[in-house]
Amino acid sequence: NAGVTQTPKFQVLKTGQSMTLQCAQDMNHEYMSWYRQDPGMGLRLIHYSVGAGITDQGEVPNGYNVSRSTTEDFPLRLLSAAPSQTSVYFCASRQTGGSGNTIYFGEGSWLTVV
Amino acid sequence: EDKVVQSPLSLVVHEGDTVTLNCSYEVTNFRSLLWYKQEKKAPTFLFMLTSSGIEKKSGRLSSILDKKELFSILNITATQTGDSAIYLCAAASTGTASKLTFGTGTRLQVTL
Repeated sequence: NAGVTQTPKFQVLKTGQSMTLQCAQDMNHEYMSWYRQDPGMGLRLIHYSVGAGITDQGEVPNGYNVSRSTTEDFPLRLLSAAPSQTSVYFCASRQTGGSGNTIYFGEGSWLTVV
Repeated sequence: EDKVVQSPLSLVVHEGDTVTLNCSYEVTNFRSLLWYKQEKKAPTFLFMLTSSGIEKKSGRLSSILDKKELFSILNITATQTGDSAIYLCAAASTGTASKLTFGTGTRLQVTL
């Protein structure tokens, strides 16, 4: 009964390094998304996907890439980390067209860029 | 641009008090308004509201939506220290992507 699994939970990066946040769900959800949460900013949508092979930008996509080669996985890549990307990242999934009460969040990934 | 605004940003109350949290929204193709509670980790779902004037209730928590004035409130009666959390409001749009636009949240602290 895994739900949405995010790794790593904590990561410290140096400016300019690249890394990938992993997200996997075992509920056969078509829709997956990545949010970042900063103090006083709420959750902001970075990228989302409505199915394998389909991705689109959210509100704050710059500096991030995503891919969706399978239904289960939706990794988020930081190409060249910057201190402004220090944040908490949440992956979420749900059925396509479903409203928010069926959205499932991962436990979050705390990222610090120094 | 879709927008959700919550107020107040933070609130400190004594145990037993009643609190009202506010959420206003401007969202294209609005579908529903959702409330979440966030403690230390991921947000957990509280309510989904789609129709005006119909109160949703769960224990000491209740919520209502006004689609004419574009706002929602979340009430918590007889607050307890376990209610301390960030309360997030989000507006969902229609369509396949059905994006959620979140507000900044209200940080509630309940003291003894």
